[in-house]
Amino acid sequence: AQSVSQHNHHVILSEAASLELGCNYSYGGTVNLFWYVQYPGQHLQLLLKYFSGDPLVKGIKGFEAEFIKSKFSFNLRKPSVQWSDTAEYFCAVNGDNDMRFGAGTRLTVKP
Amino acid sequence: SQTIHQWPATLVQPVGSPLSLECTVEGTSNPNLYWYRQAAGRGLQLLFYSVGIGQISSEVPQNLSASRPQDRQFILSSKKLLLSDSGFYLCAWTGQFGNTIYFGEGSWLTVV
Repeated sequence: AQSVSQHNHHVILSEAASLELGCNYSYGGTVNLFWYVQYPGQHLQLLLKYFSGDPLVKGIKGFEAEFIKSKFSFNLRKPSVQWSDTAEYFCAVNGDNDMRFGAGTRLTVKP
Repeated sequence: SQTIHQWPATLVQPVGSPLSLECTVEGTSNPNLYWYRQAAGRGLQLLFYSVGIGQISSEVPQNLSASRPQDRQFILSSKKLLLSDSGFYLCAWTGQFGNTIYFGEGSWLTVV
């Protein structure tokens, strides 16, 4: 079965700092890739997704992610974070109809 | 438009009692259906998924089970709950090509 790994459990940044959250997966076939965000007390929201085509995907709120097939990675980036980006971020991979999520990375942005 | 309904929203059950959480999807046919459990610091753990009626793939050893009696109905069950079954359970669906996933509102289960 495939698995999804998120490298960082908790990331603390100051406002305006750049962000990169790591996501790696193990699956040899074609995958669909996602990043979701969960703000405190709220449900999961889709940030961005990759199905095919340009491996650099732009999502909402200034987030982007790059699919690097050779590294089985789909890292999330944002050039300048805001206090309102404080949330938990989940990477998800769907390779064989089994949509799997990483353990999540908690991001705290200090004003 | 497609909608997903999950109930009950909150449940308090004694240890050893049975469980039934239900989920239905409207506005689509032949969806892929999922049950997840979300625990703090552990993300969303995939419990079961189904690509068709009567087809259930299990990801965890259990006293939990899942069934799909109809195309758009997915049920999570237990014959005897354990304290460790407490948590937040999410039902979800995707289309047949594994694209964006849509979640139900979730069910809070507390086993006492």
